Amino acid sequence: GQQLNQSPQSMFIQEGEDVSMNCTSSSIFNTWLWYKQDPGEGPVLLIALYKAGELTSNGRLTAQFGITRKDSFLNISASIPSDVGIYFCAGRRTGANNLFFGTGTRLTVIP
Amino acid sequence: ETGVTQTPRHLVMGMTNKKSLKCEQHLGHNAMYWYKQSAKKPLELMFVYNFKEQTENNSVPSRFSPECPNSSHLFLHLHTLQPEDSALYLCASSQDSYSQHFGDGTRLSIL
Repeated sequence: GQQLNQSPQSMFIQEGEDVSMNCTSSSIFNTWLWYKQDPGEGPVLLIALYKAGELTSNGRLTAQFGITRKDSFLNISASIPSDVGIYFCAGRRTGANNLFFGTGTRLTVIP
Repeated sequence: ETGVTQTPRHLVMGMTNKKSLKCEQHLGHNAMYWYKQSAKKPLELMFVYNFKEQTENNSVPSRFSPECPNSSHLFLHLHTLQPEDSALYLCASSQDSYSQHFGDGTRLSIL
């Protein structure tokens, strides 16, 4: 079945540092989404990307839809303690309705 | 009202019990989903409903039975569950095939 490889699995960073994580697939996707999940809550949509090469920002977050259509990147600048959580990528293949999810990147920010 | 509401938030049940999980969306979306989230695994899609019609059953055991009486409500009926069914069950909704919005989930524990 379709697999999304998300890396890194976990990150420990100092407050103020920048963060990068990525997601790759074996198939071409027409949509990439990035979610954040806090403990005890459901995933919350951060950024949606619908076009290859698209670069979209949401505050300190920036995500890109890779040119090959097989990958996506999420960057967080100047991290703060409330950035702690699990970040998931999700993608949709061309012609499919459903999303495939990565296994998540667990981010810990040390004050 | 928040976008997607799930009840109960926590549920403990024995293997012979029958219970139901409820999901309600206030976003006017036409598609609803059930996912299972287990530790260290990607989100597993269970069921998809479009305009109240089930369009996907991802090889889910028959002890899980979904019901979608209208496009705003989704239920997951549980019967004779196994310990490995303990997980966080997430409901999501979307408009067509665009980004999905999640509820906060029901944490299910099977004794």
